[in-house]
Amino acid sequence: KNEVEQSPQNLTAQEGEFITINCSYSVGISALHWLQQHPGGGIVSLFMLSSGKKKHGRLIATINIQEKHSSLHITASHPRDSAVYICAGTNTGNQFYFGTGTSLTVIP
Amino acid sequence: DGGITQSPKYLFRKEGQNVTLSCEQNLNHDAMYWYRQDPGQGLRLIYYSQIVNDFQKGDIAEGYSVSREKKESFPLTVTSAQKNPTAFYLCASSIEDRVNQPQHFGDGTRLSIL
Repeated sequence: KNEVEQSPQNLTAQEGEFITINCSYSVGISALHWLQQHPGGGIVSLFMLSSGKKKHGRLIATINIQEKHSSLHITASHPRDSAVYICAGTNTGNQFYFGTGTSLTVIP
Repeated sequence: DGGITQSPKYLFRKEGQNVTLSCEQNLNHDAMYWYRQDPGQGLRLIYYSQIVNDFQKGDIAEGYSVSREKKESFPLTVTSAQKNPTAFYLCASSIEDRVNQPQHFGDGTRLSIL
């Protein structure tokens, strides 16, 4: 079993829909990262958070430390949001745990 | 603009051949990392370096080698000992050690066996 589990694995949405991607982890972490991988393969770091909530544009990331759960929300989704979203956790032992990613397709 | 440059974008290797993947960063980051990505799997750490002339093995270092002679450069060599090298390879860097620091990624190199 992977230390970081994401759901769903694949997600198709209509443009404008509100999207939620979930991430659960079974190990102790000090920070949770959300990454976006474009179809060409390049990865962009979206958020790094250790508590609460962060917002950037139409993207919102939340984390519940007690429940070991994080969510990434996309409001007013757009076809350009189509990508693979990866959740990853780091801990003070210098370990970095990656989820397998959620593939999002937003249809016009 | 500052960033990480990986080259080449696509690379083909013959059986028994060593190949080297380039990773250069102009972000003045101390730490650099190499990951391997296979379909349906999360990224796996191959090697990382926290400072020039020093590097550590990650989870899947067998069949790979690295060097860190300059702060800006962290090339990865896929040796003939790596029996299943076909994968997507990503290089990343961070200001210092990765814990609690965002990582900046390159665009990746896709390696295939001829």
